[in-house]
Amino acid sequence: AQRVTQPEKLLSVFKGAPVELKCNYSYSGSPELFWYVQYSRQRLQLLLRHISRESIKGFTADLNKGETSFHLKKPFAQEEDSAMYYCALTGQRSSASKIIFGSGTRLSIRP
Amino acid sequence: DAGVTQSPTHLIKTRGQQVTLRCSPKSGHDTVSWYQQALGQGPQFIFQYYEEEERQRGNFPDRFSGHQFPNYSSELNVNALLLGDSALYLCASSPVGGLSEKLFFGSGTQLSVL
Repeated sequence: AQRVTQPEKLLSVFKGAPVELKCNYSYSGSPELFWYVQYSRQRLQLLLRHISRESIKGFTADLNKGETSFHLKKPFAQEEDSAMYYCALTGQRSSASKIIFGSGTRLSIRP
Repeated sequence: DAGVTQSPTHLIKTRGQQVTLRCSPKSGHDTVSWYQQALGQGPQFIFQYYEEEERQRGNFPDRFSGHQFPNYSSELNVNALLLGDSALYLCASSPVGGLSEKLFFGSGTQLSVL
């Protein structure tokens, strides 16, 4: 079965503390993994994707195929990071393919 | 560019009624996907339209149908509404042959079924 699991519904950390949002997936094949973010009163938008190996707004995510995980990390949290984060996957690198989302983790950064 | 626009923003219906939601894709995009997002859940893929045809469909009953017009805009129709259809309905557009990262979402239509 194709599934994305985000075990934490809410993660609250202090400003300046490290952040790790967990994501595990189940997929038969080689999926493409993403993190989407939704800031308050804004649209769902792509944060980063595993194939680009990029750092966006200080966030990174490494695909671990052995553990089927794609955790999102940031060494020092900032207040503007407070948002809803969704881990997602697709079976092929094409907009024709459906995207499967996890249930999301709300990240709250305390001052 | 207004990006992906959806209308209406909010809608209240009663059980058994029918509803039509509308989506205009981002300029330059011709593929439209629809997602349902129930409260506390991530978006779930309903279907995708390209060249006025349904190209791919998720695990939703036939009560959910769609249409795409020559100008690439799209409609989502839901018949015989159930209480469980209450959700945020998101439209996403992308350019043909575009890569997954080129998917842009609208703000959604909040549907409440009473």
